[in-house]
Amino acid sequence: AQSVTQLDSQVPVFEEAPVELRCNYSSSVSVYLFWYVQYPNQGLQLLLKYLSGSTLVKGINGFEAEFNKSQTSFHLRKPSVHISDTAEYFCAVSLSYNTDKLIFGTGTRLQVFP
Amino acid sequence: GAGVSQSPRYKVTKRGQDVALRCDPISGHVSLYWYRQALGQGPEFLTYFNYEAQQDKSGLPNDRFSAERPEGSISTLTIQRTEQRDSAMYRCASSSHDRQFFGPGTRLTVL
Repeated sequence: AQSVTQLDSQVPVFEEAPVELRCNYSSSVSVYLFWYVQYPNQGLQLLLKYLSGSTLVKGINGFEAEFNKSQTSFHLRKPSVHISDTAEYFCAVSLSYNTDKLIFGTGTRLQVFP
Repeated sequence: GAGVSQSPRYKVTKRGQDVALRCDPISGHVSLYWYRQALGQGPEFLTYFNYEAQQDKSGLPNDRFSAERPEGSISTLTIQRTEQRDSAMYRCASSSHDRQFFGPGTRLTVL
């Protein structure tokens, strides 16, 4: 079975500072990796995904993530955050890139302060 | 175009009542998923469909939960004899190619 661990439930950070949200996964087979963002009172929105190829993946809003197979990690980073990045971030894995369920972590609440 | 829509957005019901939650996927999307999200948790898979066929219902917690997608488009998640532990956000998603698009969710509160 697959599982996802997001080590930090909350990450407070000041505006314009860099941020890293950690995600580790467990699986005996190859998986596809995703980061979703949930703004208050909105649905989940895809930030970025790793399907294959380059291990450094760039997404929307200046976020990027690096797939590290040996460490089974897919940490999300942004060099300079903005107030508008305040949201809940979810890491997820899937066995298929288009026709299988997503298994989510418990989420990390990013709070950006002025 | 229009995204995934869900109705109602909020549902308050009394314990023991049946509820039906509706999901209208993006037009043309083959796959449709249902997830449940408890407060402070990530979404948890319930079931999914390809066209009208229910491919996987392993996440449905018990036989009070059922889902259908009779014409391969709109889907209904039904919870019979609701219990307080059923209170959660119920999310629907539809997929095309390599991503799932999520609806805004239905917040279910069982009193």
